[in-house]
Amino acid sequence: QKEVEQNSGPLSVPEGAIASLNCTYSDRGSQSFFWYRQYSGKSPELIMFIYSNGDKEDGRFTAQLNKASQYVSLLIRDSQPSDSATYLCAVSASGGSYIPTFGRGTSLIVHP
Amino acid sequence: GAVVSQHPSRVICKSGTSVKIECRSLDFQATTMFWYRQFPKQSLMLMATSNEGSKATYEQGVEKDKFLINHASLTLSTLTVTSAHPEDSSFYICSARTLRPGKNTEAFFGQGTRLTVV
Repeated sequence: QKEVEQNSGPLSVPEGAIASLNCTYSDRGSQSFFWYRQYSGKSPELIMFIYSNGDKEDGRFTAQLNKASQYVSLLIRDSQPSDSATYLCAVSASGGSYIPTFGRGTSLIVHP
Repeated sequence: GAVVSQHPSRVICKSGTSVKIECRSLDFQATTMFWYRQFPKQSLMLMATSNEGSKATYEQGVEKDKFLINHASLTLSTLTVTSAHPEDSSFYICSARTLRPGKNTEAFFGQGTRLTVV
């Protein structure tokens, strides 16, 4: 059973702070990792993806991957109230199908 | 990112009727489409995976005769909820992806369909 674990939160941070979201996964053969943002009542939208160990930065977002420890994180710098949403971690299954497995999501609240 | 259009965004139907939901990839060819269901405050639950031109692969516990999936072209997949009942009320979301040999590519989501069965 491939599992992706996230703390459901809510994670509450003040505006301007760094929000740190974490995700662990069980399938050591996982190859691709995605972070999606989902606003209430809306479908998920892709924020970032990462394939290699290390950090990947895109604007205020940084994804960090550590395959040895089987975790992936998302850092949001200068958090804004508009960042308040549920953040879903997705991990692709190993093998040819690459079916993504989603975590339950972490609710982030950025308060002014 | 790529655009995936899902229609309708909301539908209310009577118990016992069928509802068809369309998912279109507008600017890329989707070799694979995923159909998810999401209940309030729950995570996405994968229902089935469909590859263009072949039968869908359903996840355990998902009734293939109740949730009919067709992926007849590289840009369109449909999910038909047959003989809908109130417990089928949920948020249904499609996701489309092009799978390039040797590479894993990200999937993009449609806007979702809020189904209410009364």
